Formats: sequence, structure tokens, C-alpha cells
Amino acid sequence: EAQVTQNPRYLITVTGKKLTVTCSQNMNHEYMSWYRQDPGLGLRQIYYSMNVEVTDKGDVPEGYKVSRKEKRNFPLILESPSPNQTSLYFCASNRRENTEAFFGQGTRLTVV
Amino acid sequence: AQSVTQLDSHVSVSEGTPVLLRCNYSSSYSPSLFWYVQHPNKGLQLLLKYTSAATLVKGINGFEAEFKKSETSFHLTKPSAHMSDAAEYFCVLSGGSYIPTFGRGTSLIVHP
Repeated sequence: EAQVTQNPRYLITVTGKKLTVTCSQNMNHEYMSWYRQDPGLGLRQIYYSMNVEVTDKGDVPEGYKVSRKEKRNFPLILESPSPNQTSLYFCASNRRENTEAFFGQGTRLTVV
Repeated sequence: AQSVTQLDSHVSVSEGTPVLLRCNYSSSYSPSLFWYVQHPNKGLQLLLKYTSAATLVKGINGFEAEFKKSETSFHLTKPSAHMSDAAEYFCVLSGGSYIPTFGRGTSLIVHP
């Protein structure tokens, strides 16, 4: 089954404690991206990757890091989380940019 | 810069009546436009897409949308609402950038 898998689904952490949210896709897609969803703001892109070792900032990259060492994986790293990063996060993959996006189930992060 | 405006943050209909969710866009490039649906505690799922082929696009679950270049609109419609249609709907614009632009979402409420 074609899918994008994120882990964990729920995470509560404390300010400043580094965390990683994993994302994996099994469709051999070139384009992957991370979004955060906040009430009334829709989805905003954090980072995207055009292919292995090629990443770039989206609209709201501050406080986040990503890496793309393998085509299927695109982890999101919060080196020093802060409460304003409390949000619902989605990973997505596309065959290439500007095509249909396949979304993961989401990760609800709470930073206290 | 490109933009997407979903004209209603909430739409309320009765089961069996038509649904209209409105989306206007602005883009300097030939746009690709998408509608996604998000059910509670779920990821986003593609309903339909326009990519410069037929202007009337049919999607899943009886939804369709018409691309009107002169009006820069891509409204989503369904002839008869079902209780299971209650969800959040997002209009998304791609093209001219590696970063898609999301509307802020329209919450569809369906009354019995």
C-alpha cells in the first residue's frame, strides 16, 4: 500500500529537549515536505526536499532542521523546541513538485 | 507572489442539499489547483486536481470543481451533502514555485 508514515503520532516534550519526528514514504517520490497546521492558519510549509541531499526552506523554517540522506526518509529535527512550536505536523511526498501530495497521518506535538 | 483565498471559514448545510465551497486564487503562472479534505484526526486526502486539462474536474465522493480563469476561481461543489462529508477542506495552488500555497481552510458542517 502506498503510504507516508510519520512517527510518533503524539509527543509531549519539554522546552529545549531535542527531538526528531520521522517520515518515510514507499512510493519512490522525489519531493518531500514538512508542514505545520495551526488553527485559522491552514498549513504552512516548513522545509521541502527536491531529492536526496537537496533541501530548502519553506515559509516557516525557523527553529527546524531537516535532512534527506535517503530518498524514502525525511526526518524533521527540533534542536531546541519552544512552546510556540506546539502544533500539528504533517509530512508529505509528491512524485515531483506541483503534483498531488500524499500526506502522513500527522504528529501532534506539545512543548511545555 | 501567489495566493489562495477560501472565502468562507465555515459552511453549514443540511444533509441532501447542495454544497458550495469557494476558492479564489492569484498566480502569475499557469496554476495547478487542488482540493484536499481533512477528516478529524486524519491527514489530508486529495479530492480532485486541475492541471490545465478539462476545466470541469470530477473527484472522489461526488465532488467536482470548475476552473474559471476569467474569475480566477476554483469552487468545489457537490449536488447532495452527506453526513460523512463533514470535514475541513483546503484549496491549494501550485506552480511557479516549489512551495505550494494553502488556503486557510473551510469547515463544512452537515446537519441531519
